[in-house]
Amino acid sequence: NAGVTQTPKFQVLKTGQSMTLQCAQDMNHEYMSWYRQDPGMGLRLIHYSVGAGITDQGEVPNGYNVSRSTTEDFPLRLLSAAPSQTSVYFCASAGQAYNEQFFGPGTRLTVL
Amino acid sequence: AQSVTQLDSQVPVFEEAPVELRCNYSSSVSVYLFWYVQYPNQGLQLLLKYLSGSTLVKGINGFEAEFNKSQTSFHLRKPSVHISDTAEYFCAVTRGNAGNMLTFGGGTRLMVKP
Repeated sequence: NAGVTQTPKFQVLKTGQSMTLQCAQDMNHEYMSWYRQDPGMGLRLIHYSVGAGITDQGEVPNGYNVSRSTTEDFPLRLLSAAPSQTSVYFCASAGQAYNEQFFGPGTRLTVL
Repeated sequence: AQSVTQLDSQVPVFEEAPVELRCNYSSSVSVYLFWYVQYPNQGLQLLLKYLSGSTLVKGINGFEAEFNKSQTSFHLRKPSVHISDTAEYFCAVTRGNAGNMLTFGGGTRLMVKP
């Protein structure tokens, strides 16, 4: 099993550009989440999904969109990148609520 | 709303010494508690979790944590650390009705010195 994979590993954008961060898992997990990590602030939940076709907002959803058309994939879209979105982004999945979340290796995004 | 406070941003310690990383939470409902570890340039992995039952929880790599409901704390301990324990440690909570929505503390960087 590859576990949770994320692409790209690094990305530099200019303000106003859009892009999609990819996340995939091969563990048949129902629960998937996106977090951003900023120094001193831990990880903050952006969006999450409890199954295909079901998504909801987390703590910091503004400027981000998600969709969940399949169990395996959970892409995160930045509609119009801003410097405040410079961060490390982690995708995670879990088989059941309250169970261990498995994290991907992260995407380091810089917005100039 | 819930919040998590990790009281120390950095903890330097010598190899083979004991260590305690402190975590306090606030929540108006029952919570489930987790400790995750992040090694440099990697994602997070689970050390241990408290869902119910015994308040002393044992995890991987010799770590343990004790849930104290009256003090709303979930401190992480290890009796003897190794150089390889150098990493960032995150305490996290989720509400009883919030599934996998984790709220993280700001993290504690453990620096083990030879």
